[in-house]
Amino acid sequence: DIQMTQTPSSLSASVGDRVTITCQASQDIRNYLNWYQQKPGKAPKLLIYDASNLETGVPSRFSGSGSGTDFTFTITGLQPEDIATYYCQLYDNVPRTITFGQGTRLEIK
Amino acid sequence: EVQLVESGGGLIQPGGSLRLSCAASGFSVGSNYMSWVRQAPGKGLEWVAIIYSGGSTYYADSVKGRITISRDNTKNTLYLQMYSLRAEDTAVYYCVRGIRGYYYYYMDVWGKGTTVTVS
Repeated sequence: DIQMTQTPSSLSASVGDRVTITCQASQDIRNYLNWYQQKPGKAPKLLIYDASNLETGVPSRFSGSGSGTDFTFTITGLQPEDIATYYCQLYDNVPRTITFGQGTRLEIK
Repeated sequence: EVQLVESGGGLIQPGGSLRLSCAASGFSVGSNYMSWVRQAPGKGLEWVAIIYSGGSTYYADSVKGRITISRDNTKNTLYLQMYSLRAEDTAVYYCVRGIRGYYYYYMDVWGKGTTVTVS
C-alpha cells in the first residue's frame, strides 16, 4: 500500500502570508494527488485535483504543484476565511484503496 | 442541483447494526463512483468503502467483513450497512461522489454527514 506523509500537522500564519503544506507519497503516484479544505463543523471540500488543477469556483490564491512523490499546496495571500484543516488524498489502484494525509490545521496569528 | 443527503445515524450499542442511507439528487448514483468517508471525533478523514459504477466494491481493512456498501439505482440512493459495531466506529459518516480514472480518484461532491455513536 502507498503511504502518505503530510506536514506540518499545524501551522499559524498572518493574513496576507504565503502558506505551504507538503505531502510525500511512499512511491511514485505521478500527479494523482488531491487537496481538500475542511472548515470546522463542515464537510470537506475539493480544492485541487491531479496535483495542480483548481476545482471550479475555488479562488486562485489556492494552488498545488508536484509530481512523483513530492507535492505542495500553497495559499498565496492568506485570508481569514481560510481557517480550516487541509488534507491531501491519493488513490491506490492496487489494492483499490483511498488514503488521506494526516491533515494540517491552519490558524491565523 | 447536485446534492447528497445522509440519514440513519444515531446511538447504537456495541455489537449492534445500523444502515446509513444517502439520497442523491442532480446525478445518478449508479453511473458514478460513490464512497463513504468517516471522521472520528477530533480526528482526520478515513476512507471506508467505495462502489464502482460497474458494481464492484472495495473496503478499508479496518472495516472489511463488518461493512457493506450498496446502492439502489431506482431510488438513486447509496447505503452503508454496518454490523458488529465497535466504539472505534464512532464518527461522522460522509457520503461522497468521486471521479475516477485508472490511477486517480478525487471526491467532488460531499454530503453534510450523519453521526454514528457506538456506546
